[in-house]
Amino acid sequence: KNQVEQSPQSLIILEGKNCTLQCNYTVSPFSNLRWYKQDTGRGPVSLTIMTFSENTKSNGRYTATLDADTKQSSLHITASQLSDSASYICVVSAGGSYIPTFGRGTSLIVHP
Amino acid sequence: DGGITQSPKYLFRKEGQNVTLSCEQNLNHDAMYWYRQDPGQGLRLIYYSQIVNDFQKGDIAEGYSVSREKKESFPLTVTSAQKNPTAFYLCASTPRGTSAYNEQFFGPGTRLTVL
Repeated sequence: KNQVEQSPQSLIILEGKNCTLQCNYTVSPFSNLRWYKQDTGRGPVSLTIMTFSENTKSNGRYTATLDADTKQSSLHITASQLSDSASYICVVSAGGSYIPTFGRGTSLIVHP
Repeated sequence: DGGITQSPKYLFRKEGQNVTLSCEQNLNHDAMYWYRQDPGQGLRLIYYSQIVNDFQKGDIAEGYSVSREKKESFPLTVTSAQKNPTAFYLCASTPRGTSAYNEQFFGPGTRLTVL
């Protein structure tokens, strides 16, 4: 069964600090991995997409990494801002499937 | 503006009543999806449709029904058979084509509360 596990479940940091969120997956055959940001009471919005051949991809202060051998991904947030407070969801798609597998998300709170 | 709209944003229902959640998109996307989100859980697929007049059950379809009469619209009915319907419901759409690479575009969600 395809699964996506995220850690930590929740994280509290001070504004300006960096943080790293983790995602482990057992999805086969692997096609791509996306990180979504979901603000409270809103729909998720895609931050990055990574395919098998990509190791690192950046989107502003967000940097995603992928290790396809160990089936792990991380999302690094640099110089956090209050607006980064949200849930971050790791989503993995299998080749040939219309239906991705969602992680439960990491809830990030940035305090001033 | 192109995008996905869901209405209403908040919905209250008495036990035993059916309610219908609206989802409309003007992105010309072929595929549409309904997800349910509960606190501390990942998104769970209720129904999805890849083309007009066709739809498939997801992982938790019991107690729900859908229709896809138009490309732009994919309404979800929560029936009285759904035992625990209080949740946040999200609608999404993707263009057809290279399926696994398609980004899912989400609506703003509807929060349903059963009184």
